[in-house]
Amino acid sequence: DIQMTQSPASLSASLGETISIECRASEDIYSNVAWYQQKSGKSPQVLIYAAKRLQDGVPSRISGSGSGTQYSLKISGMQPEDEGDYFCLQGFKFPLTFGSGTKLEIK
Amino acid sequence: EVHLVESGGGLVQPGRSLKLSCVASRFTFSNYGMNWIRQAPGKGLEWVAYISNGSSYIYYAETLKGRFTISRDNAKNTLYLQMTSLRSEDTALYYCARHFPYYFDYWGQGVMVTVSS
Repeated sequence: DIQMTQSPASLSASLGETISIECRASEDIYSNVAWYQQKSGKSPQVLIYAAKRLQDGVPSRISGSGSGTQYSLKISGMQPEDEGDYFCLQGFKFPLTFGSGTKLEIK
Repeated sequence: EVHLVESGGGLVQPGRSLKLSCVASRFTFSNYGMNWIRQAPGKGLEWVAYISNGSSYIYYAETLKGRFTISRDNAKNTLYLQMTSLRSEDTALYYCARHFPYYFDYWGQGVMVTVSS
């Protein structure tokens, strides 16, 4: 199985700050990674797919990058609505696997 | 917009069975693969199972193989998850999600399953 190692586990950022979340795959997943935000009590919402493609309706201050085994999600200019839990997903090979999550809070 | 509504959850005793349903609407259900994903209270996401649009391809999380069965009825726009020999560690919020190549693009609101005596 492909392991997705996500870091950090938690993050506290000031409004306007730029933050990054990382996911490292245990093998090459050929950019088949998606990023999700989950707000408290809600279903996950996709932000990024195919490593860097922005889902419709997601603000452009959110971006994804990476290749091979290393991927990252960047939020340029933290906003109140960015609080929540973030997960990466590898969709390259079954069983599909998620990162362990990052809790993002406003400082 | 795509609409997915799960049902069938509840409180069940260990060792018993439960069948979840996910009714899809506002898209052509028979064109898409579907997934079940679960989330234990306060924990992360765990992929459970996938079924292709015509049911030809089915995959499970290794730890659940043999106890859970995914199926679908395209005529009823409905996805199912039959869960047997339930354990306390199966307690979770179960989501259905539409499969878009290499990720899940739409999720339902989830249905809670609690396994307890």
